Amino acid sequence: QVKLVESGGGVVQPGRSLRLSCAASGFRFSGYGMHWVRQAPGKGLEWVALIAFDGSETYYADSVKGRFIISRDNSKNTLYLQMNSLRAEDTAVYYCAREEFLGSWLDYWGQGTLVTVSS
Amino acid sequence: EIVLTQSPATLSLSPGERATLSCRASQTISTFLAWYQQKPGQAPRLLIYDASNRATDIPARFSGSGSGTDFILTISSLEPEDFAVYYCQQRSSWPPFTFGPGTTVDIK
Repeated sequence: QVKLVESGGGVVQPGRSLRLSCAASGFRFSGYGMHWVRQAPGKGLEWVALIAFDGSETYYADSVKGRFIISRDNSKNTLYLQMNSLRAEDTAVYYCAREEFLGSWLDYWGQGTLVTVSS
Repeated sequence: EIVLTQSPATLSLSPGERATLSCRASQTISTFLAWYQQKPGQAPRLLIYDASNRATDIPARFSGSGSGTDFILTISSLEPEDFAVYYCQQRSSWPPFTFGPGTTVDIK
């Protein structure tokens, strides 16, 4: 069965960096685009970034453009989110999610990892 | 950026009742709309895609309709496990992919 497991969250000071990982199993990871979506405490869902199945295309929300980098290692079935220059407003649960084709719906989600940006 | 609005913000109903949730887009999005369900402490789950297609393993009591700017999610008869937050999302014009603010369906 499809499984997505995020890791790497934690407490980090403003201005510092953090890298999240999403380990995929149960499907051919190299055949699917992947997204990061976040949810601030008590708030709604906010799309963060998308990477194509082969890493050739990436897209970002304006709120993270220039600070976050989405990448993937298909040999390790792993998705990454490098988060730099973190701000308090980046505090959220970060979910990785699979899409069926570029720009399609998010059909499987991980359970999320919490990132808290605080001094 | 396409903005999605959802109404009502909260819907208080009893098990067995019919739930009708609305999502409106700031510009036409054809049928490029999905609905997700999220329970406390859990990840969202895809319910409906392309406005009216049920995702895998989604019960028939969930249905979606609409096109253009106005969309409806209907739960024909609420089961106890259906009390949750429901989000709509568009993929007509991206990036960004945008979500609505959510509708909470709680027990009356």
